[in-house]
Amino acid sequence: SQTIHQWPATLVQPVGSPLSLECTVEGTSNPNLYWYRQAAGRGLQLLFYSVGIGQISSEVPQNLSASRPQDRQFILSSKKLLLSDSGFYLCAWSWTGITGELFFGEGSRLTVL
Amino acid sequence: AQSVAQPEDQVNVAEGNPLTVKCTYSVSGNPYLFWYVQYPNRGLQFLLKYITGDNLVKGSYGFEAEFNKSQTSFHLKKPSALVSDSALYFCAVRDTAGGTSYGKLTFGQGTILTVHP
Repeated sequence: SQTIHQWPATLVQPVGSPLSLECTVEGTSNPNLYWYRQAAGRGLQLLFYSVGIGQISSEVPQNLSASRPQDRQFILSSKKLLLSDSGFYLCAWSWTGITGELFFGEGSRLTVL
Repeated sequence: AQSVAQPEDQVNVAEGNPLTVKCTYSVSGNPYLFWYVQYPNRGLQFLLKYITGDNLVKGSYGFEAEFNKSQTSFHLKKPSALVSDSALYFCAVRDTAGGTSYGKLTFGQGTILTVHP
């Protein structure tokens, strides 16, 4: 069976510090991978998606970047955090194609002070 | 562009009563529709999806949803609500037009369901 792991679960960082959130998927190969941000506990905003190693597409301009160094590893980064980067970050994966559902990790709560 | 709306921020029902959480969508082509549930400080859990075929889709935990193309709706239903169903529910849509090869979903803003004992 497939599993998705996301860490750290919680993170408190000062403004201007770097960020690295990591996500790995087990039990499948060549998954589509996604980073979403959930602000104020409600709507989800797609930040990045990837259909393969080294292939990253950004949905919105922002202070964040993503990388996919391995097939089942997806990393969300920032060089200098802003207060507005606070939120709940969710990694997800899906099978290749467009009919499948997304499977989400447990999320990483980032607080920037 | 694809979009989805959940017109109710909150839905309150009594335990044992039927529940409905509403969702409407807008797409250029045919829609693929999904429902997710989220408990506090947790990731989203997949409940059910409509791709094609029977308009009534059955999913996890006794939930079902009805696809109505003429009304562009995909309401989530359950015949008898449980207190443990209290959570945040998201509807999501994917437009089949555009020829994308990845599974981008657009989510609604979510509806908080509260089931009272």
